Amino acid sequence: GENVEQHPSTLSVQEGDSAVIKCTYSDSASNYFPWYKQELGKRPQLIIDIRSNVGEKKDQRIAVTLNKTAKHFSLHITETQPEDSAVYFCAPAGGTSYGKLTFGQGTILTVHP
Amino acid sequence: DADVTQTPRNRITKTGKRIMLECSQTKGHDRMYWYRQDPGLGLRLIYYSFDVKDINKGEISDGYSVSRQAQAKFSLSLESAIPNQTALYFCATSDPPHGNRYFGPGTRLTVT
Repeated sequence: GENVEQHPSTLSVQEGDSAVIKCTYSDSASNYFPWYKQELGKRPQLIIDIRSNVGEKKDQRIAVTLNKTAKHFSLHITETQPEDSAVYFCAPAGGTSYGKLTFGQGTILTVHP
Repeated sequence: DADVTQTPRNRITKTGKRIMLECSQTKGHDRMYWYRQDPGLGLRLIYYSFDVKDINKGEISDGYSVSRQAQAKFSLSLESAIPNQTALYFCATSDPPHGNRYFGPGTRLTVT
């Protein structure tokens, strides 16, 4: 099965700073790379995803970059705001784990006003 | 809006009791999933179903069973609850399998 690790496990930034969360995975056949955001007491929700034929994708203040050779992908949040405070999960899928997302352990992001 | 719903939202039960968590969806998706969330461990897959006649074990299926009663309904049962099954349980749907997971609001289960 897929082994997934996220770093860091906690991240504290000042409002307006950038935040980067890295996700490493083990299955070289993985081809789908999403990031989920879970606010306190809420359900996880997809915020951005990328497929293996694309190296980078942006959506306003968030972006995901993929390095398939090194088997990692990263979430980038620019101009952070207090409402970005949440737990973020990566969940690579594909290859030998067909149809199953394997979630990382999560990164707690705190944005201080 | 099409959604995923879960009942109950909170449940406290005693060791050894049988309980059922229910999930319904109006998204029209064929694929449904049950996840368990524990602090620091992310979301772990318990069972998943790609259609009404298809049930598959996930990474932590021991102590759990499921039933797919219809395309829109997927239930999770704990045959004999134990304290280490205390967790937050999420149902989810997707279409296709490597597409977005749409999560329900979660059921907080406490086993005493």
